[in-house]
Amino acid sequence: GAVVSQHPSWVICKSGTSVKIECRSLDFQATTMFWYRQFPKQSLMLMATSNEGSKATYEQGVEKDKFLINHASLTLSTLTVTSAHPEDSSFYICSADGDQELQYFGAGTRLSVL
Amino acid sequence: GENVEQHPSTLSVQEGDSAVIKCTYSDSASNYFPWYKQELGKGPQLIIDIRSNVGEKKDQRIAVTLNKTAKHFSLHITETQPEDSAVYFCAANQGGKLIFGQGTELSVKP
Repeated sequence: GAVVSQHPSWVICKSGTSVKIECRSLDFQATTMFWYRQFPKQSLMLMATSNEGSKATYEQGVEKDKFLINHASLTLSTLTVTSAHPEDSSFYICSADGDQELQYFGAGTRLSVL
Repeated sequence: GENVEQHPSTLSVQEGDSAVIKCTYSDSASNYFPWYKQELGKGPQLIIDIRSNVGEKKDQRIAVTLNKTAKHFSLHITETQPEDSAVYFCAANQGGKLIFGQGTELSVKP
């Protein structure tokens, strides 16, 4: 149980285009989902907390107009990287909040912006 | 806010030896401490966790210890195997979020 599916696993896009990443909890409902960014050989950095039916809460320094988050249902949250640039290239990982603060992670999405 | 420090950043052991990774945290209100294993190109996987009402927890070759007074917790892997090679992250909870350590790259040599 507690499977989190993330798609796509890898995406290449041109600079200036937008990319959407989906995060789904397959066998449980998640009121809260989290979005992280991870650069090579570094730790996970929380970008934002996504709550179903309300606006996401962004961490300091994360541009909310650039990283659009939508959590329209208890099983789906999406992250859209708008007007992507090469510096946005990174590994993006979502997680879903289970019982008692357990977080279940997706497999991650590698974004490469050319 | 919470700050989690993790050591060492890299650890190399021979197959069959034990590996220990240590973390310290700053917020005494933290009460949940998970450990994650991340293989290259994949998302983190929860391997064990501990809550502040216990001092130790074991699951086969993996154990975690917690010292609330000193605000540190450790991951112990015994009888290491090559497939244990990965990056390990500790974390502590704060305000419904997880704050991660810097990670430890464990290499188990056959």
